[in-house]
Amino acid sequence: AQRVTQPEKLLSVFKGAPVELKCNYSYSGSPELFWYVQYSRQRLQLLLRHISRESIKGFTADLNKGETSFHLKKPFAQEEDSAMYYCALNNAGNMLTFGGGTRLMVKP
Amino acid sequence: NAGVTQTPKFRVLKTGQSMTLLCAQDMNHEYMYWYRQDPGMGLRLIHYSVGEGTTAKGEVPDGYNVSRLKKQNFLLGLESAAPSQTSVYFCATRRDGTGELFFGEGSRLTVL
Repeated sequence: AQRVTQPEKLLSVFKGAPVELKCNYSYSGSPELFWYVQYSRQRLQLLLRHISRESIKGFTADLNKGETSFHLKKPFAQEEDSAMYYCALNNAGNMLTFGGGTRLMVKP
Repeated sequence: NAGVTQTPKFRVLKTGQSMTLLCAQDMNHEYMYWYRQDPGMGLRLIHYSVGEGTTAKGEVPDGYNVSRLKKQNFLLGLESAAPSQTSVYFCATRRDGTGELFFGEGSRLTVL
């Protein structure tokens, strides 16, 4: 069975500090991983996916198959990064499994 | 384009009442999903559909039913609401061939 774990429910940092939101997964096949974000009063939306290896809004995430992790990082947090972040795993079938979410608060 | 539209956005029910949530999409996507969002538990899949006329159970299907009579609509029904079904419900569609989901704004349901 596939599972996505986000160990931190809340992460609070000061503006300009580095940010790392942790995501670990368990899956027997070749995973496809995503980060979704939900800003206040906005819809849940895709932030980035591991396949594209892109940087969106300064965020990057690297898939580490050895550690089964897909942590989201940003070197300098901004106040507008405050949001709910979800890690998600696509099982190459029809279902996307989400982690429990991490609320990021960036303090001025 | 509206994308994914959910109705109603808010609803309060008494235990035992029934209701239906409607999800409508104008993106012509085959895949549609219903999730519930609860604090600390993230998004959990209730039911999903891979095309018109098809439905399948997700992770937490008990107490819910769904129908996909038309490609653009995916209905989620609660036959006899329970307080444990108090939650925010999200509908999503999936871009074909990818894992990218497009979400509705959510429907907040309270069962008293």
